[in-house]
Amino acid sequence: ETGVTQTPRHLVMGMTNKKSLKCEQHLGHNAMYWYKQSAKKPLELMFVYSLEERVENNSVPSRFSPECPNSSHLFLHLHTLQPEDSALYLCASSQDFHSFGEKLFFGSGTQLSVL
Amino acid sequence: QKEVEQNSGPLSVPEGAIASLNCTYSDRGSQSFFWYRQYSGKSPELIMFIYSNGDKEDGRFTAQLNKASQYVSLLIRDSQPSDSATYLCAVITRGSTLGRLYFGRGTQLTVWP
Repeated sequence: ETGVTQTPRHLVMGMTNKKSLKCEQHLGHNAMYWYKQSAKKPLELMFVYSLEERVENNSVPSRFSPECPNSSHLFLHLHTLQPEDSALYLCASSQDFHSFGEKLFFGSGTQLSVL
Repeated sequence: QKEVEQNSGPLSVPEGAIASLNCTYSDRGSQSFFWYRQYSGKSPELIMFIYSNGDKEDGRFTAQLNKASQYVSLLIRDSQPSDSATYLCAVITRGSTLGRLYFGRGTQLTVWP
């Protein structure tokens, strides 16, 4: 499989559940990202990892916890979420975080609903 | 606050027409400009990028950049129904630290046959 793959595609969870989103990139890229996309709002950057080190944490609540075990895999661990966290969560990768272009390749996303 | 503004639309054009999508940005330090296409229920896909003032053409798509006026536009010639999607403008501003990519809310385009 090529590109950036995300699982699951859809997730429904209660406010007390713990779940994880998974992302895998097959492009040999060095940077990976988590974005949140809510209706009528711009894409919001959540976390950036460059060469497995977190380089950006964009004031995201602690109920979202990222993990990057290697340059190809990225996880987003979720716990005690709120209904307003319901959104499309997109994983992306780019060749390098410091590159001038920063052309992003997105996964298909996880549509999250918090009840 | 660095902002990227787009008309939310929807923009509706007939098949074969030119669709014009506009984007303005607030930070004069912005250096790289991107257009992403997002079909309904799908993820964004990079279709154009431009760094220098002027026009950049790729097939039916032309990106236009005017840094003095702080706008970037995307023209789609000979529009097709398959071009119906939301188009996201994104801008990199490089300040004293690492560059940051900012997205607009997107413009919804409908091309009717």
